Amino acid sequence: DAKTTQPTSMDCAEGRAANLPCNHSTISGNEYVYWYRQIHSQGPQYIIHGLKNNETNEMASLIITEDRKSSTLILPHATLRDTAVYYCIVSEDSSYKLIFGSGTRLLVRP
Amino acid sequence: NAGVMQNPRHLVRRRGQEARLRCSPMKGHSHVYWYRQLPEEGLKFMVYLQKENIIDESGMPKERFSAEFPKEGPSILRIQQVVRGDSAAYFCASSPLDLKAEAFFGQGTRLTVV
Repeated sequence: DAKTTQPTSMDCAEGRAANLPCNHSTISGNEYVYWYRQIHSQGPQYIIHGLKNNETNEMASLIITEDRKSSTLILPHATLRDTAVYYCIVSEDSSYKLIFGSGTRLLVRP
Repeated sequence: NAGVMQNPRHLVRRRGQEARLRCSPMKGHSHVYWYRQLPEEGLKFMVYLQKENIIDESGMPKERFSAEFPKEGPSILRIQQVVRGDSAAYFCASSPLDLKAEAFFGQGTRLTVV
């Protein structure tokens, strides 16, 4: 079973920031937070991951709370192409097995 | 640099037939993972292979399913005597090491059993 809880769905306006929350209250010290997304019917796409510190790359930013029990994925300027299901996954970095939950279905509105 | 290539993209089989799904990993990747996604559900891990070795098949159904990754050629997921419940999207991913942050997924094979 997934160790994370995410809202079932969210929406945001095109051009605005999309903030997707994830709760992982049972995360252990050696587990990372990973985010993937799946655009309709395509294979999942890696977005970003982090352990403790906030992370940023060309796609998104990841904010992890100090107690590491929750995190937020931020898409700074959402576009229509960001409409997808977003999965928050926690796992040890050495583990190869991704455990996908139900994710958050993000709809970006024109 | 071509991504992970899966074929066919769509496969229709009658109950009782065999389904063979192929996956060519990204160039330089020696680790392959198969996942299954049932309609309206999340992806479920099936099997992890390296060249000529099955490392973890804990997610594979006990019967009718098998996977291989030969020294030459693509990885194959084989489903014998398919049933309607096997209808799903099957995704393959590859990575250069067992680091899932670098796992790249293919576009999937959508199997429909009629």
